Amino acid sequence: AAGVIQSPRHLIKEKRETATLKCYPIPRHDTVYWYQQGPGQDPQFLISFYEKMQSDKGSIPDRFSAQQFSDYHSELNMSSLELGDSALYFCASSSRTGWQYFGPGTRLTVL
Amino acid sequence: DAKTTQPPSMDCAEGRAANLPCNHSTISGNEYVYWYRQIHSQGPQYIIHGLKNNETNEMASLIITEDRKSSTLILPHATLRDTAVYYCIVREVPQGAQKLVFGQGTRLTINP
Repeated sequence: AAGVIQSPRHLIKEKRETATLKCYPIPRHDTVYWYQQGPGQDPQFLISFYEKMQSDKGSIPDRFSAQQFSDYHSELNMSSLELGDSALYFCASSSRTGWQYFGPGTRLTVL
Repeated sequence: DAKTTQPPSMDCAEGRAANLPCNHSTISGNEYVYWYRQIHSQGPQYIIHGLKNNETNEMASLIITEDRKSSTLILPHATLRDTAVYYCIVREVPQGAQKLVFGQGTRLTINP
């Protein structure tokens, strides 16, 4: 069965650079979520979209923005990267009332 | 969402049943109990959920006490691949996109 696709899987950036993470949800899923997991920490919710509209927002820094496109894929844009942004970033998708399926994650390293 | 409490770690022998407890004493009537697990650095994986009746699927069984203040996830025949962090999450059936709030979780280690 098709799963959530995230790209890239690994990303290395310098401080103050910009990064874009992409997420392709499972077909017919209309809701996308982004989570951040720092080293040794539990996943933390960042933001979610339903039908291309932002539906909820967590502890997402102002330097980060995200959107969901007409084909339901989503992108997380991160600017002015800091060392503390180094983390695993997971995307999950669901139907409106279903449970969330997670992607394999993007490991971002900021040097 | 109601707060959950889980033991930080547990060990289980391979082939035995692993019983993971979760306390959710402030759960409200419209909140479900969900279980997810995260195998090292992989994306969290949905296991099972329930409201008040016991549930079983191909992965696990979920036993919810009659007062709904606690539950137990049962992996009937644990294998080494079940080593993971298990999260018990309480939430309403989503009326719109609803985030998952991951607490501490239980780090389950299956020993050969």
